Amino acid sequence: NAGVTQTPKFQVLKTGQSMTLQCAQDMNHNSMYWYRQDPGMGLRLIYYSASEGTTDKGEVPNGYNVSRLNKREFSLRLESAAPSQTSVYFCASRRTGDGNQPQHFGDGTRLSIL
Amino acid sequence: AQKVTQAQTEISVVEKEDVTLDCVYETRDTTYYLFWYKQPPSGELVFLIRRNSFDEQNEISGRYSWNFQKSTSSFNFTITASQVVDSAVYFCALSENGPTDSWGKLQFGAGTQVVVTP
Repeated sequence: NAGVTQTPKFQVLKTGQSMTLQCAQDMNHNSMYWYRQDPGMGLRLIYYSASEGTTDKGEVPNGYNVSRLNKREFSLRLESAAPSQTSVYFCASRRTGDGNQPQHFGDGTRLSIL
Repeated sequence: AQKVTQAQTEISVVEKEDVTLDCVYETRDTTYYLFWYKQPPSGELVFLIRRNSFDEQNEISGRYSWNFQKSTSSFNFTITASQVVDSAVYFCALSENGPTDSWGKLQFGAGTQVVVTP
């Protein structure tokens, strides 16, 4: 059982390039999330999708777009990468129906923008 | 304003010592959820424990235990008889109740680095 799969695991971009981070879950979860992790700041929510067909902004959405392609897949796009977007990106999913359900995380994508 | 505060940046202990991680949260909701996650050096995030705001019973699960006190808005986590494999960053997280429980957005503290030496 793979859980939450993120691709790629590592990526180096030049300023201004675009890129899409992929995320897929096989747990039949309704809700999916994208976070970024920066040193000393914990994880911050970029965007989330409460259910298929819906997306909403989180705490730090500027410079990003998302697509909930289907129930399994939730992608994060950087249209014009900036050095400030150098970070580790985590995708997560969660079963709904009970607010107590934990989020399950992928292994992360380490993104460097030069 | 930061809603989850982990004041301890790093804790260093010798193996077999107990480690207590502090977490203080802030919310106006009457229904909310608290979580602890572990991030080992390999980088993945591992769910450890959770607690509802309406259940203040403290529990023990193996070497883990937690102390939830609504009166002081604290959700502390203890590792008993620490082991080298416990070395990791530990995050406390808060999920507030929204119009629908399907939101489930997490707000994380900055994390506490635990270093366990043999």
